[in-house]
Amino acid sequence: SQQGEEDPQALSIQEGENATMNCSYKTSINNLQWYRQNSGRGLVHLILIRSNEREKHSGRLRVTLDTSKKSSSLLITASRAADTASYFCATAPSGYSTLTFGKGTMLLVSP
Amino acid sequence: DTGVSQDPRHKITKRGQNVTFRCDPISEHNRLYWYRQTLGQGPEFLTYFQNEAQLEKSRLLSDRFSAERPKGSFSTLEIQRTEQGDSAMYLCASSLGPRGRSLMDGYTFGSGTRLTVV
Repeated sequence: SQQGEEDPQALSIQEGENATMNCSYKTSINNLQWYRQNSGRGLVHLILIRSNEREKHSGRLRVTLDTSKKSSSLLITASRAADTASYFCATAPSGYSTLTFGKGTMLLVSP
Repeated sequence: DTGVSQDPRHKITKRGQNVTFRCDPISEHNRLYWYRQTLGQGPEFLTYFQNEAQLEKSRLLSDRFSAERPKGSFSTLEIQRTEQGDSAMYLCASSLGPRGRSLMDGYTFGSGTRLTVV
């Protein structure tokens, strides 16, 4: 079963704009991770935020986590055409050793 | 070590045939995972190994599926008597771990094996 749900399912923006994707989940977690997948390829780990953290930055990425609302957001600033991909959130539920992925947000960045 | 390798990249097989996929993880990673992904969906967990021990299997893994990781290095995933519903991307990933019982590291994924059953 897929615990996380990303919103929106698809997002289309222009280069230079910011892209925000949201993720909601159902159970308590140890951490939440975001991955990117280019068409037909494997997933690439972007960032991990632990349950006791509220915000984390990595380059143009900013992730927030609200454990009281069981939600997270991924912000990509100053987007580029190369950011076009599907983005997945994945949760590591407490006491479990594997990740559960959402269905993803498909991001299209037009030049 | 250039990452997680999967072989083959693509496999087309006739219904009823057996297929086997191979995954070579990052050498210092002791955890190895198999996921399946269909079009428009996120990866769904199949099974994982810590070293050579298979610690968890999903209900998705019917008795036609078997996975091994001899000597805790590479892993194989075999599907017997393939069905059209088995058509999917099969993804392998590896990670360090554990720290306690819970996962605290990201995965490194391979490029996947795309299976088409005709």
